Amino acid sequence: AQSVTQLDSHVSVSEGTPVLLRCNYSSSYSPSLFWYVQHPNKGLQLLLKYTSAATLVKGINGFEAEFKKSETSFHLTKPSAHMSDAAEYFCVVTLYSSASKIIFGSGTRLSIRP
Amino acid sequence: DGGITQSPKYLFRKEGQNVTLSCEQNLNHDAMYWYRQDPGQGLRLIYYSQIVNDFQKGDIAEGYSVSREKKESFPLTVTSAQKNPTAFYLCASSIAQETQYFGPGTRLLVL
Repeated sequence: AQSVTQLDSHVSVSEGTPVLLRCNYSSSYSPSLFWYVQHPNKGLQLLLKYTSAATLVKGINGFEAEFKKSETSFHLTKPSAHMSDAAEYFCVVTLYSSASKIIFGSGTRLSIRP
Repeated sequence: DGGITQSPKYLFRKEGQNVTLSCEQNLNHDAMYWYRQDPGQGLRLIYYSQIVNDFQKGDIAEGYSVSREKKESFPLTVTSAQKNPTAFYLCASSIAQETQYFGPGTRLLVL
């Protein structure tokens, strides 16, 4: 069975400090992994994706994520948080076999303290 | 500009009424999806279509219907059978099951 677990429903950091949003997955197949960001009352925007190339993936707005197969993790990081990073973040696992295998995590709300 | 548009931004439904949410894309994507998002929760798949004139039920299809008569359009109808329709509805499209591109969403409220 495939699943995605975002380990924290809410993360709060101070502006200028590092961000870590955690995501673990389980999949019987080689997955593609994505991180999306959603600002309030908006659609989702792709931050980055992993599709079996380099394990360290760089995305937009200074975010990056590392695929660790041994730990079945795909954590999202950013060295220095900005106020504009405050949003909801979703980790997504998808398989190429069927659209019904696109699985969203429950989301992590990131708050930034001034 | 290429992208996905959803309309309206806000939609009000009276009890017993069917309402239709519009989703249009000019990305030439074959696959389109409808998701429902409830407060503090992730997205749940309602319906998806991988090609024109074909669509499949997702995890929560009851009370909803769709059509895919044109590649660029995938409207969602929320029927009176959907007893708890208040939510944020997101449409997405993709090439096969690659990266999904999302519309801005429609918020459905019940009067």
